[in-house]
Amino acid sequence: AQSVTQPDIHITVSEGASLELRCNYSYGATPYLFWYVQSPGQGLQLLLKYFSGDTLVQGIKGFEAEFKRSQSSFNLRKPSVHWSDAAEYFCAVGTLFGNEKLTFGTGTRLTIIP
Amino acid sequence: DAGVIQSPRHEVTEMGQEVTLRCKPISGHDYLFWYRQTMMRGLELLIYFNNNVPIDDSGMPEDRFSAKMPNASFSTLKIQPSEPRDSAVYFCASSYLSGSKNIQYFGAGTRLSVL
Repeated sequence: AQSVTQPDIHITVSEGASLELRCNYSYGATPYLFWYVQSPGQGLQLLLKYFSGDTLVQGIKGFEAEFKRSQSSFNLRKPSVHWSDAAEYFCAVGTLFGNEKLTFGTGTRLTIIP
Repeated sequence: DAGVIQSPRHEVTEMGQEVTLRCKPISGHDYLFWYRQTMMRGLELLIYFNNNVPIDDSGMPEDRFSAKMPNASFSTLKIQPSEPRDSAVYFCASSYLSGSKNIQYFGAGTRLSVL
């Protein structure tokens, strides 16, 4: 069975600084990978996804993520964060077979300081 | 499209009462998922449907929980009787399969408080 690890429970970043959120997955074949963002009191919104092809994927709100098979990672990055980026971020993995189900990580809470 | 619509947004009830959460998926989506989110356990998949048929209910915590999908545009999650430990945010999500790709879209959630 697949699994997802988000090693950072909470990250604090200054506004304007760069951001990298870590995600490691465990799955024997090529996974489908997703990043979702949850603002306080809201549902999860899809930021970006990787199915195949270019390993660097662009998403909404200026976010990008890179799939690195050798490291089983799919880290989320943003060059310059804004106060509105404060939220909880979830990495998720799906599989080629039975891919309708996603396995979510435990989330990383991002705090932005002025 | 209006997205996935859940109601109510907030529900406060007393222990022992029946609670019904509602979900309207995105039109054209043939998968529907119910999740529960708590601080202790994170985001848990409770049950999901394909073409209105329950496919996997292994995440349903116990017999007090039941879910139905009478048609393609409506689903309910019922808790009877409710207990304080059921307090959580319940999310509904829907998706459709395009080739081998499946992307889930979430509703805003129902925050349930059982006193």
